[in-house]
Amino acid sequence: QKEVEQNSGPLSVPEGAIASLNCTYSDRGSQSFFWYRQYSGKSPELIMFIYSNGDKEDGRFTAQLNKASQYVSLLIRDSQPSDSATYLCAGANFGNEKLTFGTGTRLTIIP
Amino acid sequence: EPEVTQTPSHQVTQMGQEVILRCVPISNHLYFYWYRQILGQKVEFLVSFYNNEISEKSEIFDDQFSVERPDGSNFTLKIRSTKLEDSAMYFCASSGTGGRQPQHFGDGTRLSIL
Repeated sequence: QKEVEQNSGPLSVPEGAIASLNCTYSDRGSQSFFWYRQYSGKSPELIMFIYSNGDKEDGRFTAQLNKASQYVSLLIRDSQPSDSATYLCAGANFGNEKLTFGTGTRLTIIP
Repeated sequence: EPEVTQTPSHQVTQMGQEVILRCVPISNHLYFYWYRQILGQKVEFLVSFYNNEISEKSEIFDDQFSVERPDGSNFTLKIRSTKLEDSAMYFCASSGTGGRQPQHFGDGTRLSIL
């Protein structure tokens, strides 16, 4: 059974601080990882994706992948109240294959 | 920016009836997916579709479910003999070709079975 595990939170971070979201996965065949943001009652919105070990930065967001430890993380710098949402980690074995989602981490940015 | 569109946004149906959920994927995408999310639970994969056939389906996607691409733009999910436990948000997603392409999700259809 392929699993993606996330701490459900809630994670509370002061505005302007760095929010750190973590995810582990059980399937060593997983090659691609995605972070989606989901506001309450809305659909998942793609934030970032990462395929290679190391860091990938996009604006205030940095995704980190460590395949040896089967660990994926998302850092959000200069957190804003609008970043308050549930963050979903998802993995896939190859391109265009199904996504396996974690339960999501609920993030609250405190003004 | 291109987006995946889903209709209707909310569907209320009596138990035992059939429903059809509709999706228009992003125009140059060739891979299509359906996921569902029961309230308070994780997003679950139902089925993937490529080249006019199902490429993978989950255990949830049994004979009650079917998918179709009736024309060059629409992608539908049909649920027959709906049950109370089919109540969920249903998301359509699509992705492009050329290696590892992320999936983009529509706004979803909230299905309520009474």
